[in-house]
Amino acid sequence: EAGVTQSPTHLIKTRGQQATLRCSPISGHTSVYWYQQALGLGLQFLLWYDEGEERNRGNFPPRFSGRQFPNYSSELNVNALELEDSALYLCASSLRWWGRYSNQPQHFGDGTRLSIL
Amino acid sequence: AQKVTQAQTEISVVEKEDVTLDCVYETRDTTYYLFWYKQPPSGELVFLIRRNSFDEQNEISGRYSWNFQKSTSSFNFTITASQVVDSAVYFCALKETSGSRLTFGEGTQLTVNP
Repeated sequence: EAGVTQSPTHLIKTRGQQATLRCSPISGHTSVYWYQQALGLGLQFLLWYDEGEERNRGNFPPRFSGRQFPNYSSELNVNALELEDSALYLCASSLRWWGRYSNQPQHFGDGTRLSIL
Repeated sequence: AQKVTQAQTEISVVEKEDVTLDCVYETRDTTYYLFWYKQPPSGELVFLIRRNSFDEQNEISGRYSWNFQKSTSSFNFTITASQVVDSAVYFCALKETSGSRLTFGEGTQLTVNP
């Protein structure tokens, strides 16, 4: 079974540009999550999508946005990039989050390392 | 709000030693889920174990075991007979039933020396 795949592996941008990160979940998983792992800040929850809808977002500004496609893959867009956006962005997927699936673990991809120059 | 604390920033052991990673959590939910993940230098987070708050038994899975103490809100993770390949950052995480996000601890860097 293929795991969560993310692209690109590395992305280098300059301040003010826009970045698009992509994620394909494990087959059969409908929920996709995005996390940011910045140096010194730990793993922070960014966004959660399920069945094409944004279900929850973390404490991040609106320039962090995304979407989920009918095939459950997802995109994370970061506009007006700032130096502090430099981080490893991890995507995870899981089976549906409610009811009997509440305890299902989230499975993570290898991440996209975003560097802002 | 939920919170996870991993007080050990770094642990260094010699191969074949047992090592325990500590995790303390805070939550207002009566039902919640706890996880341990491993992050090797390559970056991906690897799921290791899961615990439901309503499960009373502690378990062993291969070289991994965990001790869940609801009374002290602790969820400690032990690696028996550590190996060099166990060297990684280990994260404890909490998921409440009221949401789906994972709240992670700060991580513990484990180094296993030959």
